[in-house]
Amino acid sequence: NAGVTQTPKFRILKIGQSMTLQCTQDMNHNYMYWYRQDPGMGLKLIYYSVGAGITDKGEVPNGYNVSRSTTEDFPLRLELAAPSQTSVYFCASSKRDAGSNQPQHFGDGTRLSIL
Amino acid sequence: GQNIDQPTEMTATEGAIVQINCTYQTSGFNGLFWYQQHAGEAPTFLSYNVLDGLEEKGRFSSFLSRSKGYSYLLLKELQMKDSASYLCAVRPYNTNAGKSTFGDGTTLTVKP
Repeated sequence: NAGVTQTPKFRILKIGQSMTLQCTQDMNHNYMYWYRQDPGMGLKLIYYSVGAGITDKGEVPNGYNVSRSTTEDFPLRLELAAPSQTSVYFCASSKRDAGSNQPQHFGDGTRLSIL
Repeated sequence: GQNIDQPTEMTATEGAIVQINCTYQTSGFNGLFWYQQHAGEAPTFLSYNVLDGLEEKGRFSSFLSRSKGYSYLLLKELQMKDSASYLCAVRPYNTNAGKSTFGDGTTLTVKP
């Protein structure tokens, strides 16, 4: 009964380093999302995907890349880490439906610091 | 575009009732969600409204008025464990990707 699993839980990076945040879900959801949450703020959408092979930009995509080779996995890549990318990153998924009443299910988050 | 407003912070007493408001201005509307987020944890789904009126779920109820662009979350018989951030999220009409736009959240502190 894993739901949405994110790794790692914590990471410290140096400016200019790169890393991949992993996200996998076992609910066979079509839709997946990456958000960042800065202190005291809501969730800002970085990228989303409606299915394997299809991704699209959200509100704040600059500095990030994603891929969706399978239904289960949706990794987020930071190529050149910058201090402004210090944040908590949440991956989420939801079921595709016609009524649009399906909520999003979130992973536990990755706390990333860029120094 | 989308604009969602919620109060930043609220404080209430254990056993009391509290109402958390959310107003929104969106280019379309296809439902409003409330999520609860405890400090250091992931958001979890609380309620969904797409039609005007009140949806009740135990101690929690959520109300929607589409004509006014307004929703509220009502928490009854407050418990200490209800101390958390409450996020309002609106799903616009013109999306087939289940996307929602989130407000900044209301941090509720329940005091003994």
